[in-house]
Amino acid sequence: NAGVMQNPRHLVRRRGQEARLRCSPMKGHSHVYWYRQLPEEGLKFMVYLQKENIIDESGMPKERFSAEFPKEGPSILRIQQVVRGDSAAYFCASSPRGREETQYFGPGTRLLVL
Amino acid sequence: TQLLEQSPQFLSIQEGENLTVYCNSSSVFSSLQWYRQEPGEGPVLLVTVVTGGEVKKLKRLTFQFGDARKDSSLHITAAQPGDTGLYLCAGAPGNNDMRFGAGTRLTVKP
Repeated sequence: NAGVMQNPRHLVRRRGQEARLRCSPMKGHSHVYWYRQLPEEGLKFMVYLQKENIIDESGMPKERFSAEFPKEGPSILRIQQVVRGDSAAYFCASSPRGREETQYFGPGTRLLVL
Repeated sequence: TQLLEQSPQFLSIQEGENLTVYCNSSSVFSSLQWYRQEPGEGPVLLVTVVTGGEVKKLKRLTFQFGDARKDSSLHITAAQPGDTGLYLCAGAPGNNDMRFGAGTRLTVKP
């Protein structure tokens, strides 16, 4: 299965801890997108990355959140000092080329902050 | 305001009924995508429509792209409980950034 992979599928953290969410795009895809989804709501764009570059982070909170997509390895969404309001499902998507192309989604990581 | 307006926002029907959900915009799209997201899962691509007036069928699902490429509809015939989920439309207006609608949340009761 060469689909988008995310891990972990479920993550529980206590307030103040760090959360690291990983995303491996589909084979051949070099564009990665992170979205956040609260229960019963739609997808909210967070950040768009290409290999080693952040292209658009306009949807990401300026504090505590960061993202990277290194030359080797998965894309990482990092949330420092988590708070209860960070509890949500975080989805990664990838596309082969630009942002105008169809995006393929991973199964998501469900973060619960206690 | 959303670039892509989806309606209705919520829809609850009985098994066997037909339904149509809509995705509307004032912008022109080179293509539109429809996704279904089941509870606890990520969105799964159902179809991409490219040509104005295009109709695509996927078993009991019929997708139509408006002639002016500004809107799309999804019709489900004889809905089943397995059709329950969030239906999202997405498109890149004028080949700009991909945008997503807020979705239609469908519940099909047995």
